[in-house]
Amino acid sequence: EPEVTQTPSHQVTQMGQEVILRCVPISNHLYFYWYRQILGQKVEFLVSFYNNEISEKSEIFDDQFSVERPDGSNFTLKIRSTKLEDSAMYFCASKRTPDREHEQFFGPGTRLTVL
Amino acid sequence: AQTVTQSQPEMSVQEAETVTLSCTYDTSESDYYLFWYKQPPSRQMILVIRQEAYKQQNATENRFSVNFQKAAKSFSLKISDSQLGDAAMYFCAYNNNAGNMLTFGGGTRLMVKP
Repeated sequence: EPEVTQTPSHQVTQMGQEVILRCVPISNHLYFYWYRQILGQKVEFLVSFYNNEISEKSEIFDDQFSVERPDGSNFTLKIRSTKLEDSAMYFCASKRTPDREHEQFFGPGTRLTVL
Repeated sequence: AQTVTQSQPEMSVQEAETVTLSCTYDTSESDYYLFWYKQPPSRQMILVIRQEAYKQQNATENRFSVNFQKAAKSFSLKISDSQLGDAAMYFCAYNNNAGNMLTFGGGTRLMVKP
């Protein structure tokens, strides 16, 4: 069964460094999402992406964040200058259609640790 | 903005017994979808069950069923005949009218005792 994959599973970085988190959505899916979960807190929406454009973004998704679909398979989240508070699990998700009843399929997450 | 609340951080159930996980939400919309996702340890979230707000009939999927009370804005998950493989974090989620984002509750960790 097709799955969303994410790499790396764990990323450790120094404060102020740039990181790129990578996701491979399910191949026939067209809608892509990033969420994050700070330890002990709720899973929070960051951004949705369709047709090479951001569809919606949350207040968390400030100028330090960007997303890109550099080729036909990858979907990336870049954090330009990481802060300690960016330490979290980052989940990628994809969906075949925009219909609300259709589920988002989630990847296993990347644990980002900022030192 | 919508909010989703899961008031039970942890629950435990004896194998083969039934357990109910609570979820309440707040919204001004009348049409929306609600979901329960399961996240086993070190694995991705997978969909357990979904409910459309306009459907009065409660959704069921095998051993999983919901009690959807729209007026009370309550969406609880019942797991019957609990199995060891049901042990996981369970997240309640709200899908807004635009369908672009999920709003999650804080999760309930379910432990299943043999």
